[in-house]
Amino acid sequence: EDQVTQSPEALRLQEGESSSLNCSYTVSGLRGLFWYRQDPGKGPEFLFTLYSAGEEKEKERLKATLTKKESFLHITAPKPEDSATYLCAVQSPTSPQKLVFGQGTRLTINP
Amino acid sequence: EPEVTQTPSHQVTQMGQEVILRCVPISNHLYFYWYRQILGQKVEFLVSFYNNEISEKSEIFDDQFSVERPDGSNFTLKIRSTKLEDSAMYFCASSVHEEKLFFGSGTQLSVL
Repeated sequence: EDQVTQSPEALRLQEGESSSLNCSYTVSGLRGLFWYRQDPGKGPEFLFTLYSAGEEKEKERLKATLTKKESFLHITAPKPEDSATYLCAVQSPTSPQKLVFGQGTRLTINP
Repeated sequence: EPEVTQTPSHQVTQMGQEVILRCVPISNHLYFYWYRQILGQKVEFLVSFYNNEISEKSEIFDDQFSVERPDGSNFTLKIRSTKLEDSAMYFCASSVHEEKLFFGSGTQLSVL
């Protein structure tokens, strides 16, 4: 069964303090790994898709990386508006239309 | 920017009643989905819909659930006889291909 575990569950940082969020996954052949941002009371908002180990994607202060067992979301010099829950999800070739989500990391950036 | 629209934003119903949750996906998208998130838990896949039929569904999506695309724009989720454990935030999503899903803001369903 495909599984996704994210750590830490919650992370509190000061503005400008860089850090990384972890997503460990077990999947029967990875078709894609996705990072989403979720604000309170809203649906997930797409950030990145990674397909193969070694791949990296960047967007503003965020950079996502992928290995064969985990993905990291690096946040550089975060701002208070980066506060949100960050979700990781995987997609397998056997169920290409189903995303399996982790429980998320709740990130708070204090000014 | 195009977005997925869901109505209503909140729905309160009595146990055993039928509810219909409505969604307007992004217009040129081909794949449509329903996910749900019980308070404090993971976002869970319910069903995907492509080419006017269900293409994948999870174990949660039993005979009490059904989906329809009654016209060219709407996509609905019907729960035939609601249970207390159906209380959750229900998200509709759509995509052009089988990736990069765009999610709506959700319908908070409360079953009393």
